[in-house]
Amino acid sequence: SAVISQKPSRDICQRGTSLTIQCQVDSQVTMMFWYRQQPGQSLTLIATANQGSEATYESGFVIDKFPISRPNLTFSTLTVSNMSPEDSSIYLCSVGSSTDTQYFGPGTRLTVL
Amino acid sequence: GENVEQHPSTLSVQEGDSAVIKCTYSDSASNYFPWYKQELGKRPQLIIDIRSNVGEKKDQRIAVTLNKTAKHFSLHITETQPEDSAVYFCAALSSGSARQLTFGSGTQLTVLP
Repeated sequence: SAVISQKPSRDICQRGTSLTIQCQVDSQVTMMFWYRQQPGQSLTLIATANQGSEATYESGFVIDKFPISRPNLTFSTLTVSNMSPEDSSIYLCSVGSSTDTQYFGPGTRLTVL
Repeated sequence: GENVEQHPSTLSVQEGDSAVIKCTYSDSASNYFPWYKQELGKRPQLIIDIRSNVGEKKDQRIAVTLNKTAKHFSLHITETQPEDSAVYFCAALSSGSARQLTFGSGTQLTVLP
């Protein structure tokens, strides 16, 4: 399976600021996704990152709050904008294979004060 | 959209006993069902998956069964060991071009030595 890395691994941020999370894969992949995992909860899909076009957002998530870039088939970024304490979560990227299997990055643990 | 329900939310078993976690899904067109194991502070790891054209799949101590008619699937872990302690998530792949995973709420499995 692909090797997936995320940066930063964790961060503590002040409310009102923004944080950009990077996801890097060691091989070209068709599908990349961004998830949020709130403390003690399951995984919730934020959006599908589409290469060369706008991301596809799930209900409850909007581009102004979570802008996503995907400039090529190995890299994507998720920005959490104008943060509030409610944004404190783990943010995970995942990559999908042609067989629909998804593999997850190590996650970014975000704390907003 | 797809809805996945998972039970139980917590499960404690004695080492050596079996553990069973059950999930139901709503979209009869879903055709791919992975199971992930997430240890504390780690990323979700795919442990086994099943497609809708088979009823059962086994990998050493882990097996998954699928009942398409009833729209439910189960994870079976035999001869449990303390290192099996983790949160387990089931998921279902939605039909259509989106190819998104919808996750269950998770089961905290504790194997008591």
